[in-house]
Amino acid sequence: DAGVIQSPRHEVTEMGQEVTLRCKPISGHDYLFWYRQTMMRGLELLIYFNNNVPIDDSGMPEDRFSAKMPNASFSTLKIQPSEPRDSAVYFCASSLLSTEAFFGQGTRLTVV
Amino acid sequence: EDQVTQSPEALRLQEGESSSLNCSYTVSGLRGLFWYRQDPGKGPEFLFTLYSAGEEKEKERLKATLTKKESFLHITAPKPEDSATYLCAGISSNTGKLIFGQGTTLQVKP
Repeated sequence: DAGVIQSPRHEVTEMGQEVTLRCKPISGHDYLFWYRQTMMRGLELLIYFNNNVPIDDSGMPEDRFSAKMPNASFSTLKIQPSEPRDSAVYFCASSLLSTEAFFGQGTRLTVV
Repeated sequence: EDQVTQSPEALRLQEGESSSLNCSYTVSGLRGLFWYRQDPGKGPEFLFTLYSAGEEKEKERLKATLTKKESFLHITAPKPEDSATYLCAGISSNTGKLIFGQGTTLQVKP
C-alpha cells in the first residue's frame, strides 16, 4: 500500500476563499483522523471518522470548517471562508481497529 | 478530559549521551500508548505501541516503557540522526480518540 495520501502538499490562498484538502486512507483501515499542527498548539485533533461516520467533531474550531467521508477511500476537509489564522499544516491519519495510526505527509496551508 | 503531557519541550544531547523523554497521560480507558517520530516537513512516523503497564518495546537505540500514569522513551548512546521531534499519543477505548502531547524536540550534537 502507498500509505495515506494527501493532496495538495502545499496550498496558498487568499483570505475569504474556499479551501478543500483531500485524503486517501490506507485500504482496509476503519478509522480516519484529521489533525492541524502549529508551533503554538502542536497536533490538534479536529475530527475523526469510524467506518465513514463522523464520531467526534468537537475539535473543529468553527463552523467554517467541515469534513466529509463519502466512502472508505476518500475524505475531505473544507474551510469556507478561509482566514489567515487557519494557516497551518493539516494531517490526515488512518488506523485499523483503534491501533497505531499512520499519517500522510500533510498539506501546508497558507492563507494570505 | 483526556490529556497527554510531554517533557521536556526541548532536549539537547551530545552524541553518545543517553537520556529519557517523559509522557504523562490521563486517558479514560487507555487502549494504547503510542510513540511517533516527526522530522521537519514530514508527517509523524510510527515507532511503538504499548498496551499495558510494565510493557517495554525496543528499536535500535530507542526503548519505550509504560506505567499506569506515564511512559518513557529512553535513548541510549544517541546519534545526530536521532534528532527529531518525538510525539506521544494515547487512544481511549471509550471514545477511540487519539490524543497527542506537544512533543519533545531532540537535538543530538556530534
